[in-house]
Amino acid sequence: TQLLEQSPQFLSIQEGENLTVYCNSSSVFSSLQWYRQEPGEGPVLLVTVVTGGEVKKLKRLTFQFGDARKDSSLHITAAQPGDTGLYLCAWEGYNKLIFGAGTRLAVHP
Amino acid sequence: DAGVTQSPTHLIKTRGQQVTLRCSPKSGHDTVSWYQQALGQGPQFIFQYYEEEERQRGNFPDRFSGHQFPNYSSELNVNALLLGDSALYLCASSYTGANVLTFGAGSRLTVL
Repeated sequence: TQLLEQSPQFLSIQEGENLTVYCNSSSVFSSLQWYRQEPGEGPVLLVTVVTGGEVKKLKRLTFQFGDARKDSSLHITAAQPGDTGLYLCAWEGYNKLIFGAGTRLAVHP
Repeated sequence: DAGVTQSPTHLIKTRGQQVTLRCSPKSGHDTVSWYQQALGQGPQFIFQYYEEEERQRGNFPDRFSGHQFPNYSSELNVNALLLGDSALYLCASSYTGANVLTFGAGSRLTVL
């Protein structure tokens, strides 16, 4: 059982559609991080959420941390082909990152 | 300002062989961590080096070993390669005490 469960595993959509991906756990976290990993690259940090109920926006990306700090979501508005990649949530604990398995997003023109 | 540099980018080995992967951290960073990312999975923590010492280790066998040099660069060594060691190996650097990691593009290892 993974500490961080991400859903869906795969998502294939057309340009312009909206989507939401989820990161869930039975554990409570002090903070969660979201990364995007493009093919042939390492993960790149998008955002860190630290407060229960917190909402952070990064252009067309909206990140939310659950009130109980057990889950988080990422919503993308009007997806573009450049959003294609693997979206990973991660918990930073004890000097290491623990990642979920990720959601692989493909946005088609 | 160069980010994290890893070499080689791709390599193919056969079972039982040994491999060494190399990482140069981002300028100003003193801590290096290594992660293994199997196909379709998220990265898994292997170990972290700081001040040339292994500070923390994940759930990986002793076949996986590492080293950090005085210039903060690092190596990951894997002995007696198994088919299951085929993966993307990611190096990440940070400044000690900071929880923001910068990842390299990885070294893709294929074991035949």
